[in-house]
Amino acid sequence: QKEVEQNSGPLSVPEGAIASLNCTYSDRGSQSFFWYRQYSGKSPELIMSIYSNGDKEDGRFTAQLNKASQYVSLLIRDSQPSDSATYLCAVIFPHNFGNEKLTFGTGTRLTIIP
Amino acid sequence: GAVVSQHPSWVICKSGTSVKIECRSLDFQATTMFWYRQFPKQSLMLMATSNEGSKATYEQGVEKDKFLINHASLTLSTLTVTSAHPEDSSFYICSARMTSPPYEQYFGPGTRLTVT
Repeated sequence: QKEVEQNSGPLSVPEGAIASLNCTYSDRGSQSFFWYRQYSGKSPELIMSIYSNGDKEDGRFTAQLNKASQYVSLLIRDSQPSDSATYLCAVIFPHNFGNEKLTFGTGTRLTIIP
Repeated sequence: GAVVSQHPSWVICKSGTSVKIECRSLDFQATTMFWYRQFPKQSLMLMATSNEGSKATYEQGVEKDKFLINHASLTLSTLTVTSAHPEDSSFYICSARMTSPPYEQYFGPGTRLTVT
């Protein structure tokens, strides 16, 4: 079982709709979770961090965390063509407590269709 | 969010030469920085963890004598690719980690290295 799993996509969403990106992780003891956006040829950009169960909203983005189900998601409301990118889910696993290095999923490629 | 810079943004060098890449956290102090490389259409691959004032920790399969890392201050880490070869051509990205939970990690813009 991969430590952090994401659907690789591509996920196509019409402009203005809600894009839903999902991620599952293997270690129930994990504490911190992150969503990054990476445009082709660029470095990752941090969009959201979350460490408590429930929802966290920032503008058009909402991160949702369910530790019991080992599931974290990212919702993008009112999707724009500029949201087209690869979205990376990242987790800090307990075995990395101390250096807090990230374990990444393989990413979901999102395309917003005008 | 916090800002991390890298220099140079791209570099072309001849086979056998060495190249140094700098990573700076501009508006926060980072006791820990990370170095990644990424080949086209592939996932990020962590190369090493750089801790200020101590030796870097390298991931399995990464040659520490080839990829020299120095973290001399709380805002600067450097990666030197020694005796570069064409297979070292890649996109090198650093990140800096915040020192308090949830330990957010911010990435630099990356350095594209081409070895001819």
